[in-house]
Amino acid sequence: QKEVEQNSGPLSVPEGAIASLNCTYSDRVSQSFFWYRQYSGKSPELIMSIYSNGDKEDGRFTAQLNKASQYVSLLIRDSQPSDSATYLCAVKSQGGKLIFGQGTELSVKP
Amino acid sequence: DTGVSQDPRHKITKRGQNVTFRCDPISEHNRLYWYRQTLGQGPEFLTYFQNEAQLEKSRLLSDRFSAERPKGSFSTLEIQRTEQGDSAMYLCASSLDRTRYNEQFFGPGTRLTVL
Repeated sequence: QKEVEQNSGPLSVPEGAIASLNCTYSDRVSQSFFWYRQYSGKSPELIMSIYSNGDKEDGRFTAQLNKASQYVSLLIRDSQPSDSATYLCAVKSQGGKLIFGQGTELSVKP
Repeated sequence: DTGVSQDPRHKITKRGQNVTFRCDPISEHNRLYWYRQTLGQGPEFLTYFQNEAQLEKSRLLSDRFSAERPKGSFSTLEIQRTEQGDSAMYLCASSLDRTRYNEQFFGPGTRLTVL
């Protein structure tokens, strides 16, 4: 079992729809969780951090964390073509390094 | 711009040659991380520094790889006797460990191609 797993893509949604990206992790003691967006050929860009169970909203983005289920998700409301990218879920280990999932490619169709 | 910078952005080398990459973190950040990313995969951790101390190294970091952060500011990553399997994007990130999430911010990366 991989330490961080993301739902396989690519995920295609129409413009204006809600995109839902999911991630599970194996280490129960993990405390900090991150979503990065990565455009093709570019480096990862931090878009959300979440630490506590529940929802955290930032503009069109909502991160959801359920530590009991070891599950993190990212919702993108009113998806735009500019949201088309690979989304990486990352979990911070106790030592500080990030453990990434393989990424989910999102395509928003106009 | 006070973000993380990396140099060079691209490097093409022949198998067996040595290469060195540089990373300049965000100025007040005391932690600096190196990751490697291949196509279709998420970044994989290589090593990290807190100030000038190298605190953790991945088992991915063979003895051909060495990293330094001599004065706790910029860092270098050297790969000796490069192999074709070393071709990847090498990413540097920095963070401030006194923040709640210790969020890591990435530089633009150095893309290495080994011929």
